[in-house]
Amino acid sequence: GAGVSQSPSNKVTEKGKDVELRCDPISGHTALYWYRQSLGQGLEFLIYFQGNSAPDKSGLPSDRFSAERTGGSVSTLTIQRTQQEDSAVYLCASSLQDDYGYTFGSGTRLTVV
Amino acid sequence: GENVEQHPSTLSVQEGDSAVIKCTYSDSASNYFPWYKQELGKRPQLIIDIRSNVGEKKDQRIAVTLNKTAKHFSLHITETQPEDSAVYFCAAKVEGNKLVFGAGTILRVKS
Repeated sequence: GAGVSQSPSNKVTEKGKDVELRCDPISGHTALYWYRQSLGQGLEFLIYFQGNSAPDKSGLPSDRFSAERTGGSVSTLTIQRTQQEDSAVYLCASSLQDDYGYTFGSGTRLTVV
Repeated sequence: GENVEQHPSTLSVQEGDSAVIKCTYSDSASNYFPWYKQELGKRPQLIIDIRSNVGEKKDQRIAVTLNKTAKHFSLHITETQPEDSAVYFCAAKVEGNKLVFGAGTILRVKS
């Protein structure tokens, strides 16, 4: 596609429910990244996929968070048993090569009530 | 791990003046330093970047300088305009090819 697409754009969920966030990177981009941005805060690294290599999961805050990338394209970030502190904007980005700047999606605003 | 510090956290300038935002990093192996602009409610967008083999890069009213010895880099915006108002993030690439971001600078350009 023309840009990085994320869905849904907004998600309100009840505490304790599971949520899935989707990212469709730019076609041909081999690297895909998930970041989290809390209100008024910076960007916190979560996970990074590069081609067929094992993902770098070093930023995932707990074992309730997981992500997968199928066929080297679309990625899904799953948060199980959501907590109020999970409320944030989840941003996905992709890049053509490891050396290039990211292109970000518009994000998914997650609100846990 | 890499730590990126960004200053100031907020910056107000008069339209037409220059704005400078500074960042320091800790990992001497970092070799790529992008800057992102994020307008309210929108996605971060890459505005300029610099690699460790150069000391300065310019693109119209925007420039970035890098001092590898001191491990700091700066964003310079000249002739600021109201549309430059946004949050600006610096970042440094670390091992594993992920970016570590600074905490951001809120830039307000007063007309």
